[in-house]
Amino acid sequence: SQQGEEDPQALSIQEGENATMNCSYKTSINNLQWYRQNSGRGLVHLILIRSNEREKHSGRLRVTLDTSKKSSSLLITASRAADTASYFCATDGLGGSEKLVFGKGTKLTVNP
Amino acid sequence: EPEVTQTPSHQVTQMGQEVILRCVPISNHLYFYWYRQILGQKVEFLVSFYNNEISEKSEIFDDQFSVERPDGSNFTLKIRSTKLEDSAMYFCATQMGSGNTIYFGEGSWLTVV
Repeated sequence: SQQGEEDPQALSIQEGENATMNCSYKTSINNLQWYRQNSGRGLVHLILIRSNEREKHSGRLRVTLDTSKKSSSLLITASRAADTASYFCATDGLGGSEKLVFGKGTKLTVNP
Repeated sequence: EPEVTQTPSHQVTQMGQEVILRCVPISNHLYFYWYRQILGQKVEFLVSFYNNEISEKSEIFDDQFSVERPDGSNFTLKIRSTKLEDSAMYFCATQMGSGNTIYFGEGSWLTVV
């Protein structure tokens, strides 16, 4: 089944360092979206990248997509303590299905 | 950033009771969803709703669940007879059009005791 899976499951870094999180999926997709979730809170949309795009930037965020490898990465540059959260990738499939399939997420801790 | 509003933020209910979770979608959005997240687990799709009808639903969305948009604005999820395993965070999400960004609300924590 189509599934986004992130790695690593947990990542701990120092403030100012870059954080890279990866996501793999199994089937063809239309779009891949990255979300952030602070503990016990809602899902905040970060970036949507379409299957015909290879890279996208938004502020300190950079997302890449490699459809041949069925993988995506999220890079957060110059991390801040406020970036501490769980990060999820979610894919939607071809064939008219709009539902998102989420991975388990990467729990990022940025230490001040 | 546009906002999806959900109420209540937290509800505790007795097993077997009916629960209604409410969502105010972003204005002009046409696609509506419910997802849930059991504590410590993945976010799971429940149902999608478009043009006043269910367009897709998961295995989780059994006969105990229903959705409606009673007044053309609010979007509700009803659980008829709650079970302990229904305890989860329920997220409403909305989307302007096919292939666009899907925006999530802050969620409604449901605790069934």
